[in-house]
Amino acid sequence: DAMVIQNPRYQVTQFGKPVTLSCSQTLNHNVMYWYQQKSSQAPKLLFHYYDKDFNNEADTPDNFQSRRPNTSFCFLDIRSPGLGDAAMYLCATRAAPGTGVGANVLTFGAGSRLTVL
Amino acid sequence: QQQVKQSPQSLIVQKGGISIINCAYENTAFDYFPWYQQFPGKGPALLIAIRPDVSEKKEGRFTISFNKSAKQFSLHIMDSQPGDSATYFCAARNPLAGGTSYGKLTFGQGTILTVHP
Repeated sequence: DAMVIQNPRYQVTQFGKPVTLSCSQTLNHNVMYWYQQKSSQAPKLLFHYYDKDFNNEADTPDNFQSRRPNTSFCFLDIRSPGLGDAAMYLCATRAAPGTGVGANVLTFGAGSRLTVL
Repeated sequence: QQQVKQSPQSLIVQKGGISIINCAYENTAFDYFPWYQQFPGKGPALLIAIRPDVSEKKEGRFTISFNKSAKQFSLHIMDSQPGDSATYFCAARNPLAGGTSYGKLTFGQGTILTVHP
């Protein structure tokens, strides 16, 4: 059973039209991450939450925002998508330190592929 | 200093052969070194991982060799199979304790492995 679920799997939007991607997890993990992965590139961290504590990477554009209303859900909002934002967006989770092997394992969802026309 | 350099970018191996992927890092604070396997259209999945106080770890056909003094580690896939054809990412983790980079994974650039039947 999928433990990190991302929706939608495929999203097509127009240049400048806001988009929201969602991530839900059944693992009850404290930490949630959003990565951007462009074609044939490594995943690039955008931001992460430790519980409700939000941490933004220094080079994440302001165009990207995130919300985490509860432990299970996290959202990625792209306010004005540009052509350069077309990518796979990956959500991942991790348990807090001291909680056993789950703290070492980053569990990824299947990703949401964003196309910008 | 946060970079992880991975080589080769692509690798073609015959069925039954050995696949070797190499990674190098600079930041000696990294405390955990996982390898992820990613199939097209899927999120990365943890394959095998090692801590820096261990020189080798083997799980089935997959072995990580770790050279702490050289700041290098590698993945060996023995008896490579066509089903192993995927993109492989090495990664290095910031320590779990303290700081806004808590548990952050830095990924290598990825290696596309093709195993011919």
